[in-house]
Amino acid sequence: NAGVTQTPKFQVLKTGQSMTLQCAQDMNHEYMSWYRQDPGMGLRLIHYSVGAGITDQGEVPNGYNVSRSTTEDFPLRLLSAAPSQTSVYFCASRREGGAEAFFGQGTRLTVV
Amino acid sequence: AQSVTQLGSHVSVSEGALVLLRCNYSSSVPPYLFWYVQYPNQGLQLLLKYTTGATLVKGINGFEAEFKKSETSFHLTKPSAHMSDAAEYFCAVSPTYSSASKIIFGSGTRLSIRP
Repeated sequence: NAGVTQTPKFQVLKTGQSMTLQCAQDMNHEYMSWYRQDPGMGLRLIHYSVGAGITDQGEVPNGYNVSRSTTEDFPLRLLSAAPSQTSVYFCASRREGGAEAFFGQGTRLTVV
Repeated sequence: AQSVTQLGSHVSVSEGALVLLRCNYSSSVPPYLFWYVQYPNQGLQLLLKYTTGATLVKGINGFEAEFKKSETSFHLTKPSAHMSDAAEYFCAVSPTYSSASKIIFGSGTRLSIRP
């Protein structure tokens, strides 16, 4: 029972590089989200999706792109990494009609 | 608009003492309320949730929380702290009318346990 799986767990990027954070869930949940966690700021929503082919912006979307081609996968793309994007990133999924979200183990990203 | 305020970014208690982590929320519609726990270098794990019905909610590891609508509070308690309770705790709120709505998190409270 894998739940929500994020890869990689750790990543170091140079400023200006691009990369994709992967997120996959095996619970057939409709709703998926990406959050970033920074000290003293809780979790802030970056982008979310209510189903395959449908995405929308959260509180802090700038510098990030997402797509949702399948129910299972919700990758997060950094097009040109900046030091301000140094953070811990969490992917979460939630079933339609459900209350709580289920979280992955996180990706710790450092941009130098 | 919804928001969550957690009072105290760091709480320290002695082992065996009462744990009380405070959470107040604002919501214009009936909310779902959650407490999540995060152990070092791990993801968030649901501790307990309030959806409807009984206002006193019991969760894992001996924690419980009470939904008080009049006070717009959802404080987390545990009668006797254990060393293994040291972690960061997040209160969160979401409207009940749509699970597609985003979950709003508080800024977190780090719980330390003194031997």
